[in-house]
Amino acid sequence: QVQLVQSGAEVKKAGASVRVSCKSSGYIFTSYDINWVRQAPGQGLEWMGWMNPNNGNTGYAQRFLGRVTMTRNLSTSEAFLELKRLRSDDTAVYYCARNWGYYFDQWGLGTLVIVSS
Amino acid sequence: QSVLTQPPSVSGAPGQRVAISCTGSSSNIGAGYDVHWYQQLPGTAPKLLIYGNNNRPSGVPDRFSGSKSGSSASLAITGLQAEDEADYYCQSYDSGRSVSNWVFGGGTKLTVL
Repeated sequence: QVQLVQSGAEVKKAGASVRVSCKSSGYIFTSYDINWVRQAPGQGLEWMGWMNPNNGNTGYAQRFLGRVTMTRNLSTSEAFLELKRLRSDDTAVYYCARNWGYYFDQWGLGTLVIVSS
Repeated sequence: QSVLTQPPSVSGAPGQRVAISCTGSSSNIGAGYDVHWYQQLPGTAPKLLIYGNNNRPSGVPDRFSGSKSGSSASLAITGLQAEDEADYYCQSYDSGRSVSNWVFGGGTKLTVL
């Protein structure tokens, strides 16, 4: 069955960077885009960007431009999200989600990132 | 605030019908892009509930249905059950920004009385 397994929780200082991984299984990794969506405590869902694992092309939401990088490792079927210059309002659960057409049909369980000042 | 507008909360008694609205604009829903809905049970990841305006993935009960008209969409839940208590999010595609992207509603908390 399709699974997206994410890395464990992280605690970072403000100004640092964080890297979250998302390991895909149960399907052909290069056939679907991977998106990243985050959810701050008690808040709604916020789309951050997409990555095409086949060619590495990416597209980021405007508010994250310059701070976010999405990459992949084809040999391990993993997608990565790196967010730099962390701020306290980056504290959130970060989800990877598989993109089928214009919607997200499979989601990871989420990775909690806490940014402390 | 969110590009797509949802009511913060709705409620209903078991067995009743509730509807959750999702209002967009001419750069997303009104431009013809489909609307999709997700259910997020407490403490869990979102789950696809409705795709392409009114299609249910395998395993989603037919008590859940979606519709779209103009720049708005709606999720209806009939025969409310206690297990339906969750947050619901609509999602579409927006082409009105310099970087086109996917957009979500702010979410609606459904309380089963």
